Amino acid sequence: QQQVKQSPQSLIVQKGGISIINCAYENTAFDYFPWYQQFPGKGPALLIAIRPDVSEKKEGRFTISFNKSAKQFSLHIMDSQPGDSATYFCAARTSGSRLTFGEGTQLTVNP
Amino acid sequence: EPEVTQTPSHQVTQMGQEVILRCVPISNHLYFYWYRQILGQKVEFLVSFYNNEISEKSEIFDDQFSVERPDGSNFTLKIRSTKLEDSAMYFCASSRLGENTIYFGEGSWLTVV
Repeated sequence: QQQVKQSPQSLIVQKGGISIINCAYENTAFDYFPWYQQFPGKGPALLIAIRPDVSEKKEGRFTISFNKSAKQFSLHIMDSQPGDSATYFCAARTSGSRLTFGEGTQLTVNP
Repeated sequence: EPEVTQTPSHQVTQMGQEVILRCVPISNHLYFYWYRQILGQKVEFLVSFYNNEISEKSEIFDDQFSVERPDGSNFTLKIRSTKLEDSAMYFCASSRLGENTIYFGEGSWLTVV
């Protein structure tokens, strides 16, 4: 019930394309859904986050879409750039509890 | 921008030795965490700490692990007798009271040989 399932495991996109990463969860008590970006040898850095009372949140080229009934959420990276090449983790938590991470998606954006 | 700092960045230790990983959380944060990431795998929760006591721990955080806030700024993770499978990147993190955002440090890479 604490698991967060993420797909795909890896993704290759051309520069300027759209990158889409999907996550699904089971625990309906989760009320906070962040996405973290991680470069090799670095710690996860918060990219964007959403709460389940909204269906979409956009910050620059990054958008989270949230489907509460399906218990799914996704990250869309518009106009993907080589500098976006990193590992992306979705995560979920209930207030005051642990952050549960997905398995991660290795994104490669080709120039 | 304030950040979580961790030392050492990399440590190699013999199996069975004790290891202490150190962290300085962001100064006005009150929740502290340790997570770990085995090479190529997802980030896993170890323990959370608030008000000088453990508030939650995972099944990974067994009797070999302990945490401490020895003074007003440091937060440490001790592994008493390291095993080969403890080799991982250990991330310290912190958050403000009442906020969901958790900020991670750059990690301490532990290699047990």
